[in-house]
Amino acid sequence: DTGVSQDPRHKITKRGQNVTFRCDPISEHNRLYWYRQTLGQGPEFLTYFQNEAQLEKSRLLSDRFSAERPKGSFSTLEIQRTEQGDSAMYLCASSSSRQGKGNEQFFGPGTRLTVL
Amino acid sequence: AQKVTQAQTEISVVEKEDVTLDCVYETRDTTYYLFWYKQPPSGELVFLIRRNSFDEQNEISGRYSWNFQKSTSSFNFTITASQVVDSAVYFCALSDPGRGGNKLVFGAGTILRVKS
Repeated sequence: DTGVSQDPRHKITKRGQNVTFRCDPISEHNRLYWYRQTLGQGPEFLTYFQNEAQLEKSRLLSDRFSAERPKGSFSTLEIQRTEQGDSAMYLCASSSSRQGKGNEQFFGPGTRLTVL
Repeated sequence: AQKVTQAQTEISVVEKEDVTLDCVYETRDTTYYLFWYKQPPSGELVFLIRRNSFDEQNEISGRYSWNFQKSTSSFNFTITASQVVDSAVYFCALSDPGRGGNKLVFGAGTILRVKS
């Protein structure tokens, strides 16, 4: 069983450019989460999907951010018109809502974004 | 709102010492889950343990043990006979049911440095 994978692992972009990240969850997991982690802080919740439905979004997720999970499998997170303040590690996690699975979230390696 | 406080920013110990990482949480929910994650220098968050609010039994797994006390809203983590490989950032997290997704609210983390 493979874990959560994320692509790319690192992204350097110039301010104003658009970037897109991909997350592939553990195959049998129906829940997928995006978090953002800045230096010296714990991860902060951005958004959550159950299957293909985006059920919750944080106030941290400005209009420049959009996430999708077509067909309830992989997910993409797009940031438009990037700003220097968007520089962070973007983490994806997945879990199963099935009883007995305990709500544990398993994290991918993250995508480190640097906006110049 | 859910909140997790990890008051210890950084702890340094010498190998084989025991070390306890503190975690205090705030919630108005009667049903919730508490977690500990490890983030080694490679960056990927590793799940260590999940506890639900109805189970106050302490748990031991090898050199790791957890002390959950609802009366003081604490969920502390002890590493016995620490090793250099234990050096990492440790995060305590609390589930927030939100719209059913049980997103995680993380503390700021405690950096553990184990010296040989």
